[in-house]
Parts: sequence; structure tokens; C-alpha cells
Amino acid sequence: DGGITQSPKYLFRKEGQNVTLSCEQNLNHDAMYWYRQDPGQGLRLIYYSQIVNDFQKGDIAEGYSVSREKKESFPLTVTSAQKNPTAFYLCASSPQRDSNQPQHFGDGTRLSIL
Amino acid sequence: KQEVTQIPAALSVPEGENLVLNCSFTDSAIYNLQWFRQDPGKGLTSLLLIQSSQREQTSGRLNASLDKSSGRSTLYIAASQPGDSATYLCAVRPYMLTFGGGTRLMVKP
Repeated sequence: DGGITQSPKYLFRKEGQNVTLSCEQNLNHDAMYWYRQDPGQGLRLIYYSQIVNDFQKGDIAEGYSVSREKKESFPLTVTSAQKNPTAFYLCASSPQRDSNQPQHFGDGTRLSIL
Repeated sequence: KQEVTQIPAALSVPEGENLVLNCSFTDSAIYNLQWFRQDPGKGLTSLLLIQSSQREQTSGRLNASLDKSSGRSTLYIAASQPGDSATYLCAVRPYMLTFGGGTRLMVKP
């Protein structure tokens, strides 16, 4: 059953700590994306990747980092430089960045500060 | 810079009503427009995708229209049901997806 798996579902971060959110897809999609959603708001793009070993900053990349070592995996690290990390994080994928096919989304990770 | 606005932010209707959700965008140079559904604490599910050359798309009780020249799209939900209660988001794609803030819909039995 193809889809996107995000883990963990809930994550807590201490001050000064880096945390990593996992995103795995078995849809054989080339492009993957990370979005941040704040309460009552739409999604904002953090980073995206079109192919393995390549990624680009989105609108709000400061305080975040990513890697794309494998086609199916696109982990997001929230660094201590991100001063307001509390949000709902969503990972998505699509066949290609410029595709007219819809993006598929995971079920999200909710990050909170301890 | 593309901006997407959804009105109303929240809507409560009795079961069985037909309803319309609105989405407006500032830059008409788009590839497509998508409507998504989001249940509480969940990811997004794509409902309808309208290419820039199309005027509307239909799926079951849902119908989405697109008027590029005026920068507007509507999502029409016929005979609403309590199971339709969710947040509905629209997003346009000139390059990357730009999302509206969503309309939170509650359908009361």
C-alpha cells in the first residue's frame, strides 16, 4: 500500500536541542517537500528536493536543515537556531517538481517545546 | 508574490445544505489549482485539481470551478453531510504550491 510515513507523530524539544523528523515514501516519487503549518493557517514551504542529493530552500528555511541521500527518504532537522519551532510539520511528495499531478501528504508530526 | 485568501475562515451549516467555499489569488499566472481536505491532526487529502486551461472539475458531490482572469475558485459541496466536517484548503501552483489559510467547515446533524 503506497504512501508517505512520518514519524514520530508527536515530538518534544528541549531548549538548545536539535530534533529530526522522519519522512519516508514508497510511491517512487522524485520530488519531496516539507511544510510547516501554524494553528488556523495554511502551509508554508520549508525545503524541497527534486532528486537525490539535491534540495532547495523554501520560504521559511532558516533554522531548518534537510538531506536527501535516498530517493524514498527526506528527513528534516529542526535546529536550535529555530526559535519558534512549535508547529505541525507535513511532508509531501509528487512524481516531479513541475508535475501537474497532486502532491501526496503524510499524516504530520506535531512538535512542541518542553 | 502570490497570495491566496479563503473566505469564510469558518462555516457551520445544517446537514443537507448545499454550500460554497471561496478561494481567491492575486497572480493569475498559475499552472493549476488544488483543493485539499484536512481532518484534525491529519495530513492533507487532495480532492480536486484544476489545470489552468480548465474551468471546472467534478468528483461525486464536489465541484470546483476556476476563473483565472478574476483570480477566483469556488468549491461547491452538494447535500452536505456530517462526514464533510473538516478544514478545506486551496493552493495554487505557479511554481511551488501557495496555500490559503483554509475554511473550517462543520456540518451539524
